Amino acid sequence: SQQGEEDPQALSIQEGENATMNCSYKTSINNLQWYRQNSGRGLVHLILIRSNEREKHSGRLRVTLDTSKKSSSLLITASRAADTASYFCALATNAGGTSYGKLTFGQGTILTVHP
Amino acid sequence: GAGVSQSPRYKVTKRGQDVALRCDPISGHVSLYWYRQALGQGPEFLTYFNYEAQQDKSGLPNDRFSAERPEGSISTLTIQRTEQRDSAMYRCASSLSHPSGSSYNEQFFGPGTRLTVL
Repeated sequence: SQQGEEDPQALSIQEGENATMNCSYKTSINNLQWYRQNSGRGLVHLILIRSNEREKHSGRLRVTLDTSKKSSSLLITASRAADTASYFCALATNAGGTSYGKLTFGQGTILTVHP
Repeated sequence: GAGVSQSPRYKVTKRGQDVALRCDPISGHVSLYWYRQALGQGPEFLTYFNYEAQQDKSGLPNDRFSAERPEGSISTLTIQRTEQRDSAMYRCASSLSHPSGSSYNEQFFGPGTRLTVL
């Protein structure tokens, strides 16, 4: 399957704690992206990491990518109640050597941050 | 500037009716994507365009689904003879440039159209 699989399916933490979500996949990728979806709202792009990158930071977000293990992790440091949302990893793959824009999303991790 | 807009935001229709869902991408964005999202699931790819050309329609479930983007801007996803199983959130996204080489741009998503087929 080309789909990314997130782990855990749900995560509940206290404000101020760190949250780590993982994504595993089976196919070769060009890049991997993380998106956030608040309840009842649209998808918001968080960060993109390319297959030749190993780590990327954006504010309180840190993403790692291990292509040998076909896995990625998203770390949110010093979480806030406003971080409560579903988080999805999305895979951008190559098709026959041709660059490709289709994203394949996982089922997501539901993060709840308690004040 | 304005983000991706979709209309209508909510659509309730009776089984057997045709529906047309509209997507207005961010101005200047070359690529446009359609996804479908069931409750509690991640978005599922349907089709995408570079300019007016439909690059991939492999995700369209069957021939009742079609999409067009005649002038390379606004796109319409049409579902003919709707069925209850078509009920879902339909999301549109756009990106600045079409994928090339090893550089993909992020996709900006619209608010979605919630389709309910009775």
